[in-house]
Amino acid sequence: RKEVEQDPGPFNVPEGATVAFNCTYSNSASQSFFWYRQDCRKEPKLLMSVYSSGNEDGRFTAQLNRASQYISLLIRDSKLSDSATYLCVVNKRDSSYKLIFGSGTRLLVRP
Amino acid sequence: GAVVSQHPSRVICKSGTSVKIECRSLDFQATTMFWYRQFPKQSLMLMATSNEGSKATYEQGVEKDKFLINHASLTLSTLTVTSAHPEDSSFYICSASPGLDYGYTFGSGTRLTVV
Repeated sequence: RKEVEQDPGPFNVPEGATVAFNCTYSNSASQSFFWYRQDCRKEPKLLMSVYSSGNEDGRFTAQLNRASQYISLLIRDSKLSDSATYLCVVNKRDSSYKLIFGSGTRLLVRP
Repeated sequence: GAVVSQHPSRVICKSGTSVKIECRSLDFQATTMFWYRQFPKQSLMLMATSNEGSKATYEQGVEKDKFLINHASLTLSTLTVTSAHPEDSSFYICSASPGLDYGYTFGSGTRLTVV
């Protein structure tokens, strides 16, 4: 079993749609959680951290359920520019704070 | 803030040669930097953790004699791919963080092609 698992995608949605990404992690000792966005042939960029109480940044809402070891990302009113691969990332706390990446879910927003 | 610069962005080399990739934290000090590799349509895989002033820690299956890491200062880590082979062709990315609450910033990546 992978340490971080995501929907395989791709998701193909029209502009304005709401889209949800799901992610589960296996290590209950994980400390920090993030969503990154990666455009084709580019480096990942931090989209948002995920907090236990849930957090929102504009059209983006992230939620964490520690009991279920589940993380989600919701994008409302999707834009063409949201097309990218969304990576669920978990920090496995040990002496070096390694990041463990999910395989990513590709999103295609069509006009 | 939290800018990580990686150089070169693209390199083509012949089989058997060595390639050095630099990763710099521009506006913060990083005692730890991470090196990843990403093959097409796959996720990032951690190769090694670079520790300032000490030996790097390699992930299982990564040859330390092939992927030499040097972290000589608090702002610079280098990855040298020695005796490169075509199967080493990949996207190499470094990352660092000014602190756990800030998340991790990635360099722009180096696309290595070995011919």
